[in-house]
Amino acid sequence: EAGVTQSPTHLIKTRGQQATLRCSPISGHTSVYWYQQALGLGLQFLLWYDEGEERNRGNFPPRFSGRQFPNYSSELNVNALELEDSALYLCASSRDSDNEQFFGPGTRLTVL
Amino acid sequence: AQSVTQLGSHVSVSEGALVLLRCNYSSSVPPYLFWYVQYPNQGLQLLLKYTSAATLVKGINDFEAEFKKSETSFHLTKPSAHMSDAAEYFCAVRPAPGANSKLTFGKGITLSVRP
Repeated sequence: EAGVTQSPTHLIKTRGQQATLRCSPISGHTSVYWYQQALGLGLQFLLWYDEGEERNRGNFPPRFSGRQFPNYSSELNVNALELEDSALYLCASSRDSDNEQFFGPGTRLTVL
Repeated sequence: AQSVTQLGSHVSVSEGALVLLRCNYSSSVPPYLFWYVQYPNQGLQLLLKYTSAATLVKGINDFEAEFKKSETSFHLTKPSAHMSDAAEYFCAVRPAPGANSKLTFGKGITLSVRP
């Protein structure tokens, strides 16, 4: 069974640009979660999608947004990039909201 | 609201020694608790989880953890450390099944294993 996949592995952007990160969940999983792992700040919850709907979001500004597609894959968009957005962005999926979350390898976003 | 406290940022043990990584949680509702491991430049891998069944939970690679409600703790142990255990370890909490399934993580502990 394939695990959670994320693309790209690395992404380099400049301040003010937009970044799009992608996640494909494990087959059969309907919930997708996004977390930010920034240096010194630990792992912070960003967004949770289930059955195509945004169910919850963390304490992040509106320029962090995303969506979940009919095939349950997901995109995370970060607009107007700031230097402090540089981080490892981890996607996780679960069979439903009550089951354990399986994590992908992450996308490392660097903002210059 | 939930929170997790992992005291200290770094633990160093000798190969073959006991590993003890501490985790204390705060939760206003019955919690589910998790330990994840992160190897360099990789995502998180689930080591074990507590979901209100047995309080002593066994996970992969001989790790185990005990849920102690009276102490609000979920410490991770392994009887004998291997070099391959060197990684960062995260404790996480979420509410028992309900409307909010986001994980709240501790800051993580880096485990070093000395030959």
